[in-house]
Amino acid sequence: DAGVIQSPRHEVTEMGQEVTLRCKPISGHDYLFWYRQTMMRGLELLIYFNNNVPIDDSGMPEDRFSAKMPNASFSTLKIQPSEPRDSAVYFCASSSGGLLPGAQYFGPGTRLLVL
Amino acid sequence: GNSVTQMEGPVTLSEEAFLTINCTYTATGYPSLFWYVQYPGEGLQLLLKATKADDKGSNKGFEATYRKETTSFHLEKGSVQVSDSAVYFCALLNSGGYQKVTFGTGTKLQVIP
Repeated sequence: DAGVIQSPRHEVTEMGQEVTLRCKPISGHDYLFWYRQTMMRGLELLIYFNNNVPIDDSGMPEDRFSAKMPNASFSTLKIQPSEPRDSAVYFCASSSGGLLPGAQYFGPGTRLLVL
Repeated sequence: GNSVTQMEGPVTLSEEAFLTINCTYTATGYPSLFWYVQYPGEGLQLLLKATKADDKGSNKGFEATYRKETTSFHLEKGSVQVSDSAVYFCALLNSGGYQKVTFGTGTKLQVIP
């Protein structure tokens, strides 16, 4: 398996622009997580899905952030409009609740810089 | 609620030194415990796990024992290498319900030759 795939790997944009991050989880995994990592705030859970249904979005910082999972093999995290404080590394992770509970497989991350 | 507390870093060691990174947790029920490692420029990856009291997880020379009496899961390695330089995260998954893992803040390890 190719592991969790994220795109783009790097994104530089200007304040006010829309940013869309993409994630393809490992086939067969029924959980998908979006995290944000910064030096100041560390690793933060933004939202997670179970069987494509959002379970907990309490970590989404504000209405500018939205996430979707239209099918089992694809998810997006959108920021509109983006702000400089959104600059961070965004990770997608997937897991299988049945096979190895708690073992999350992380993608390589998207490094976002908002100017 | 659930929480994980790790020792502050960075931890700087010479090659072949003994490593301990402390981790304590607070949780209701009977959580599973994990150590994840993040190498520079990469995502986190699972290093080892333990699912019940007195279990020992081990991988790549690293070990951690689930101590329910002290609510601890300290990471150890007998002889570190430069390639072990990374950030280490302690984490827990509470029993039942969804697969939401609670992570600690991470401890940076730097191993110098």
